[in-house]
Amino acid sequence: DIPMTQSPSSLSASVGDRVTITCRASQSIDKYLNWYQHKPGKAPELLIYGASSLQSGVPARFSGSGSGTDFTLTISSLQPEDFAAYYCQQNYSPPFTFGGGTKVEIK
Amino acid sequence: QVQLVESGGGMVQPGRSLRLSCAASGFTFNQYALHWVRQAPGKGLEWVTLISYDGDTTYYTDSVKGRFTISRDNSKDTVYLQMNSLRVEDTAVYYCARDISYLDTSGPMEYWGQGTLVTVSS
Repeated sequence: DIPMTQSPSSLSASVGDRVTITCRASQSIDKYLNWYQHKPGKAPELLIYGASSLQSGVPARFSGSGSGTDFTLTISSLQPEDFAAYYCQQNYSPPFTFGGGTKVEIK
Repeated sequence: QVQLVESGGGMVQPGRSLRLSCAASGFTFNQYALHWVRQAPGKGLEWVTLISYDGDTTYYTDSVKGRFTISRDNSKDTVYLQMNSLRVEDTAVYYCARDISYLDTSGPMEYWGQGTLVTVSS
């Protein structure tokens, strides 16, 4: 198994802020890293796949970077609808483990 | 449009069994891998299992190996999760999700259902 570590576990930010979430894999996973957004009572939504490819329909303020073991999700200008939990997930080898999540809250 | 609708959740006693179903529509079912992901109350997402588009390949997370079985019926556009020997720690919302890749098993989950709640309690 490949444990995934996200940081921070939560953060408070204001509308318009630039937000960065990091994810670290316990071993190299090349670029097999995905990011999801999850709001309470809703289905999770794929934001980024392959570390940096923006999923169709996802706003361009979301971006991903990294390779190997260290990855970053950036929201360039936080919008009211972005307050949610964010998860990284590796699909390098099964089981396709998730990180522990980052809850983005309103400051 | 793509739709995934889970059913079969409910309350069950520890040690008993439950079968979840996920009915799909809006895409060619037999050309995409399907996943189950769960979220326990107050916890994060946990990937559970995957079945390839043709049903020949399955993967499981360690905590459910030997207890859970994923299967699919491509004639009914439905994927199943048979859950045996249920434990309190299996309590979660279970989501069905479709892989992003056509005729492959790559891992990113592009479409998700709304989830079904499984509660394991005596």
